[in-house]
Amino acid sequence: KQEVTQIPAALSVPEGENLVLNCSFTDSAIYNLQWFRQDPGKGLTSLLLIQSSQREQTSGRLNASLDKSSGRSTLYIAASQPGDSATYLCAASPRETSGSRLTFGEGTQLTVNP
Amino acid sequence: DTAVSQTPKYLVTQMGNDKSIKCEQNLGHDTMYWYKQDSKKFLKIMFSYNNKELIINETVPNRFSPKSPDKAHLNLHINSLELGDSAVYFCASSRRADSSYEQYFGPGTRLTVT
Repeated sequence: KQEVTQIPAALSVPEGENLVLNCSFTDSAIYNLQWFRQDPGKGLTSLLLIQSSQREQTSGRLNASLDKSSGRSTLYIAASQPGDSATYLCAASPRETSGSRLTFGEGTQLTVNP
Repeated sequence: DTAVSQTPKYLVTQMGNDKSIKCEQNLGHDTMYWYKQDSKKFLKIMFSYNNKELIINETVPNRFSPKSPDKAHLNLHINSLELGDSAVYFCASSRRADSSYEQYFGPGTRLTVT
């Protein structure tokens, strides 16, 4: 059974700092890994999807990497801004053709202070 | 336009009641999902439908019954509500049932059972 862990549970940084959020998974037979952002009282916004055949994906100031062999993914946020404050969730998915069971981590609550 | 919408946003009800949550997506996706986020913030999949056909049915009490009248709608009916059903319920959709595709989430429905 897949288990996903995110460290740290909470992170507070000053504006402008570069930061890394960590995600680890127990079953390396994942097909893809998805990073989400959740704002208080709102739904999840998909940030990046990394297929197992890829090593990383980039979108603006965000860069996500995937190392299946070590069971780890990282989300790098460059030049953080107060608007980046949110909970960041990673979710792993096995290879499936009939529905995709995302297994989520507990999330990292990020606060970027002005 | 909202891609994945849910109604109601908040639902407060008493134990023993029956309630429904509705979800609609206007993305033209084939596959829809229901997730539950409990008080510890863990998100867990409950059900998935592909073109109105149930394809994922996790270990969920049979008091929970999903219904998909068409591929753009997936409703969740809950009978005999219990205190432990209090949670945020998220609907999601993806283009296809294959795990290659990103999942897009709705804003969530916060259910409180008193």
